[in-house]
Amino acid sequence: AQKITQTQPGMFVQEKEAVTLDCTYDTSDPSYGLFWYKQPSSGEMIFLIYQGSYDQQNATEGRYSLNFQKARKSANLVISASQLGDSAMYFCAMRDTSNTGNQFYFGTGTSLTVIP
Amino acid sequence: DGGITQSPKYLFRKEGQNVTLSCEQNLNHDAMYWYRQDPGQGLRLIYYSQIVNDFQKGDIAEGYSVSREKKESFPLTVTSAQKNPTAFYLCASSMHRANPDNSPLHFGNGTRLTVT
Repeated sequence: AQKITQTQPGMFVQEKEAVTLDCTYDTSDPSYGLFWYKQPSSGEMIFLIYQGSYDQQNATEGRYSLNFQKARKSANLVISASQLGDSAMYFCAMRDTSNTGNQFYFGTGTSLTVIP
Repeated sequence: DGGITQSPKYLFRKEGQNVTLSCEQNLNHDAMYWYRQDPGQGLRLIYYSQIVNDFQKGDIAEGYSVSREKKESFPLTVTSAQKNPTAFYLCASSMHRANPDNSPLHFGNGTRLTVT
């Protein structure tokens, strides 16, 4: 079953504008972690931001913030003041500790293009 | 600096040959993972290992094998039984799930395997 869903294959945003990348997740475990990664064309995966299921406040890291709506099971990434260097693939991931393992599940990603 | 090293960056093999992808980490992480990335499909888990001498199959383990003889090393062998081996392979590591829960996956820079 799909655990992480990213419904936007591609997004465009004007430089200096804000953009929201959608992510919904599915789990029955009360304890889980949500992560966002950036993958530039060079291929490396860069960790951006983390949100824990028990966190009361939305996570923020510089220009990145996470709009966490637990009841809706959504964890959207908001990038403010977009820069040309933000053009990349973005992946939402969930850490699931409910089973015997310690697995991270990834969505299919959103390709973000920042337009000058 | 601590990190994950994958080698080589590009690998070319003839169909029918086994090939081993290297992954070394000096982060003192207990858990290590192998993911495969194909265009439009995000990251899919091949194998993961929580501790030395133990590993579990992920979602797409068929045609692959791994070993975990040392904490630092988690090599992946792509066997001739893997029907579509051409892909981008990412190795990752993380702290044990209980310590702490917000520990992200740390990735290597990936190996791009082409089989002809």
